[in-house]
Amino acid sequence: GAVVSQHPSRVICKSGTSVKIECRSLDFQATTMFWYRQFPKKSLMLMATSNEGSKATYEQGVEKDKFLINHASLTLSTLTVTSAHPEDSSFYICSASTGGAQETQYFGPGTRLLVL
Amino acid sequence: GQNIDQPTEMTATEGAIVQINCTYQTSGFNGLFWYQQHAGEAPTFLSYNVLDGLEEKGRFSSFLSRSKGYSYLLLKELQMKDSASYLCAALTGGGNKLTFGTGTQLKVEL
Repeated sequence: GAVVSQHPSRVICKSGTSVKIECRSLDFQATTMFWYRQFPKKSLMLMATSNEGSKATYEQGVEKDKFLINHASLTLSTLTVTSAHPEDSSFYICSASTGGAQETQYFGPGTRLLVL
Repeated sequence: GQNIDQPTEMTATEGAIVQINCTYQTSGFNGLFWYQQHAGEAPTFLSYNVLDGLEEKGRFSSFLSRSKGYSYLLLKELQMKDSASYLCAALTGGGNKLTFGTGTQLKVEL
């Protein structure tokens, strides 16, 4: 149980274009989903917290107009990187929380974005 | 601010025991998670401690001392496949936000 999928797993795009990444909880309803960014050999950096049906809460320093997050249902959240630039190239990982006392987060397999 | 420290790298021998330490200074602490991450993959959940003491789960055990702001992950009977990064993460902010340490890269050798 507690499986989270991400699509696509890899994407290459041209500078200036937008890229959408999907995160789905396959066997549970996730009231909260999280988006992280990870640079090589670095730890995960929380970008934003997404609650179903409401606006995402962004961490300090993360541009909400550049990284658009939509949490349309209890099983789907999307991250759109708008007007991508080479410095946006990174490993983007989502997680979904099952809720309850433990608030364990289960992670998707990640999406590697390369902006040329 | 939130601060989580763990060693950058460790090396151990197959079949041995290794302990990975984590110290934290956070506000609104609600528990401590350990995740395993292989290169290029997403983290996988290993353990969660909210009360002081040792939680054992097969070859892996995790310990927490809230008064000392300290946790460790203990890996027994090491296998080559245990070579990975181990991430310590604190649940903070009175909610469900995870703050990660930089991870400890464990290398298991023959």
